[in-house]
Amino acid sequence: DAGITQSPRHKVTETGTPVTLRCHQTENHRYMYWYRQDPGHGLRLIHYSYGVKDTDKGEVSDGYSVSRSKTEDFLLTLESATSSQTSVYFCAISGDIGTRAYFGPGTRLTVT
Amino acid sequence: QQPVQSPQAVILREGEDAVINCSSSKALYSVHWYRQKHGEAPVFLMILLKGGEQKGHDKISASFNEKKQQSSLYLTASQLSYSGTYFCGTEYSTSGSRLTFGEGTQLTVNP
Repeated sequence: DAGITQSPRHKVTETGTPVTLRCHQTENHRYMYWYRQDPGHGLRLIHYSYGVKDTDKGEVSDGYSVSRSKTEDFLLTLESATSSQTSVYFCAISGDIGTRAYFGPGTRLTVT
Repeated sequence: QQPVQSPQAVILREGEDAVINCSSSKALYSVHWYRQKHGEAPVFLMILLKGGEQKGHDKISASFNEKKQQSSLYLTASQLSYSGTYFCGTEYSTSGSRLTFGEGTQLTVNP
């Protein structure tokens, strides 16, 4: 399995607080993705990165920001968490377009 | 732009076959297939690239029809272990593309 970890694995936070999720890889892969998964909605792309400091928005980017200052780390920040952001968040990595993606174990975030 | 998967759910008895479809309104470069068990991360099954091809391992195979921008996942002689949610993911070009997924197909295999 590819070396990809997410932290924290579980988090409960209150509405209005900032939250940062971390994705760390040891594969030196170029592409990194953040998805959220909610019942009935599959995997929805939030933001993705195609290189250090190169990021772009996905389908559901409102309320989220990302940063990638090193190849191995991709951070997802919720500036002011809302209950609608309660979800399971998956990070994924891939070496290039047309190559398989590896998923991290997921982070379960609850916003109360 | 998310690909469209069908059907949304399938219930099979062990040994039966199933087909899951994935379609796009844009020209595809690649189609990925993943399976996810409840409470776990998605696991890679296979990837098909532009050019139209068919791939498979064991009793699970897939095809990619470039003209129709469609892919189909074939599960034959289903086993209990095939149960889970199947996702297709798509990429549209070779530069700056992103991997987006359909809403998934829930497959249940009963004894």
